[in-house]
Amino acid sequence: DIQMTQSPSTLSASIGDRVTITCRASQNIHSWLAWFQQRPGKAPKVLIYKATTLESGVPSRFSGSGSGTEFTLTISSLQPDDFATYYCQQYTAYSPWTFGQGTKVEIK
Amino acid sequence: EVQLVQSGAEVKEPGESLRISCKGSGYIFTNYWISWVRQMPGKGLEWMGRIDPRDSSINYSPSFQGHVTISADTSISTAYLQWNTLKAADTALYYCARHDGRTDYWGQGTLVTVSS
Repeated sequence: DIQMTQSPSTLSASIGDRVTITCRASQNIHSWLAWFQQRPGKAPKVLIYKATTLESGVPSRFSGSGSGTEFTLTISSLQPDDFATYYCQQYTAYSPWTFGQGTKVEIK
Repeated sequence: EVQLVQSGAEVKEPGESLRISCKGSGYIFTNYWISWVRQMPGKGLEWMGRIDPRDSSINYSPSFQGHVTISADTSISTAYLQWNTLKAADTALYYCARHDGRTDYWGQGTLVTVSS
């Protein structure tokens, strides 16, 4: 299996802060990476796919970067709606898909 | 409007069997894979497996292989997740989601509680 390691597990930040979450893959996944946001009691919502492509309707303050084994999700200016848990997921064709363990973004 | 509508919450005893469902509408069901994802209480997302409804090819996570069965009935645009022998550790919220280059729509989740 390809293991996905997210950091940090929890992040405390204030409105307007720039926030970065990192995801590392245990082997090369090229750009087959997605980022999801999950609010309490809700289904996950895709933010970014293919590592850098912003899903339609997602605010432009969200961006993704990276390829190979190192990836980041950046929120350029944290808004009240953004306090949630974020997950990366690799979805290569040659391996079972896996999620990272999640990063909870809390209010500082 | 694209929708994935899952079956309702279930309460079962250990050792019982169960099948939960995920009905797609508003799109061509066979054009998208369906994945199943587990979320145990207070925990993260775990990918269980996926099915290509077009040919019923299935990939399982090694963590779930042999314990669950994924299937689909294209005539009614529905995917299924099945257990033959439930355990208390299967208590969780289960989501289905569709995928075609990205996982874009999710079901509302089915809560499965296994308790004696």
